[in-house]
This record gives sequence, structure tokens and C-alpha cells, in this order.
Amino acid sequence: GAVVSQHPSRVICKSGTSVKIECRSLDFQATTMFWYRQFPKQSLMLMATSNEGSKATYEQGVEKDKFLINHASLTLSTLTVTSAHPEDSSFYICSASGGADGYTFGSGTRLTVV
Amino acid sequence: QKEVEQDPGPLSVPEGAIVSLNCTYSNSAFQYFMWYRQYSRKGPELLMYTYSSGNKEDGRFTAQVDKSSKYISLFIRDSQPSDSATYLCAMSAMGIQGAQKLVFGQGTRLTINP
Repeated sequence: GAVVSQHPSRVICKSGTSVKIECRSLDFQATTMFWYRQFPKQSLMLMATSNEGSKATYEQGVEKDKFLINHASLTLSTLTVTSAHPEDSSFYICSASGGADGYTFGSGTRLTVV
Repeated sequence: QKEVEQDPGPLSVPEGAIVSLNCTYSNSAFQYFMWYRQYSRKGPELLMYTYSSGNKEDGRFTAQVDKSSKYISLFIRDSQPSDSATYLCAMSAMGIQGAQKLVFGQGTRLTINP
């Protein structure tokens, strides 16, 4: 089946620094990628939708200048959390559309900002 | 009112029991219904995918959709400890091959006790 690789799986960073999370579709071309945020014991909250070669569409309430999304190729999308603060600590998950299984999720990145 | 409502649980049952997980929704445009399983600190994986109303069976899992009541269910027969996870329902107005965003329920934490 379709595989989406997400790295890193876990990252700890200092407040004020930036963190980049990568999401790669390994065996299919992902025309659309979705980035989610998940707080403990809560559901996935869609942050933004990105299409290859175009600007991401952000959900209401998500700061586009803080959460930079780049989808430069059909197999790679990145999410950069800029000037991270403790309240940005969360579980971030990407999902890619285009594989045989429809939406395929990455394994997630646990971000802790200290 | 949330578009998709799901009891977060937790739900704890003995091994071998039949488990019933449910979601209700308010958007009548939803036509595609999915159940995802998420293990702790991992990304969701697709379990079942149904279109419109009716039942779909796959091994020990059965998905039911009742569009007239805006109610969907997932049944797990002969539950196993390995079924312990969080189960999320998700819905879309378009099929999973498209780029339509999914709307998730909150997820139900399920524990199967040996």
C-alpha cells in the first residue's frame, strides 16, 4: 500500500527557534497534502491543505506566517513552525492524497518546545 | 454544534466482546464515511471506507451507515487486545481519491482487556 514517511518522529526545541517537519510520499505522487495538529485525547484538527507548486490554504485561525508550508514537489511537503513557543507543543501529522488508499497518513511528529 | 460528534470514551471491554463505536453528523452533504485506527503516538490508518448508506464487512469489522439518521457505526467482533487503540470516524462530501478535506470525530479510546 501507499506509504507516507514523516520526519522527525520526535523533536524538542528551545522557545524562539524554528522547527521543520518533512512529509514524503514514498511510492506515489501526492497531488495534495494535508497538515493536522492533534492535542492529547483530541481529534485531528486540519491546519492547512497544500497542492504541489501552489500556496497552501490555511484553515481559519491558523497563522500562515507561523506555520510555513512548502509543497515544492509531488513527493515532499514541509511544515516549518517558526519562532516556536511552548503552546505550539503538539502532535503534528501529515496526510497525502493520491495513493491507492486515498488519504495516507504519516506517523506523526511530537513537538515539544521548552 | 460540531459537524461530527463521537463519544471519546474511554471504552473498556473484555477480550472476545463485540464492540460498537458510533458517530453522528450534521452535514447532509457527507457521502463518504471512514473509520481510522490510531495507536498511541502514531498516525491514523484506514480501517473501513463506505459510500452512502448500507453495511460493509471486512473480517471482524463491520461498518454501517444510516444517512437518514446521520449515524454511522463500527462493530468489532471477537475483539482482541491488539484492537486497543483510538478509533476515529471521518467523513467527506467527496471520495477519498479526491482532495476534499476530511472532517474527523473526536476519536474513541478503546481498551480490550485480556
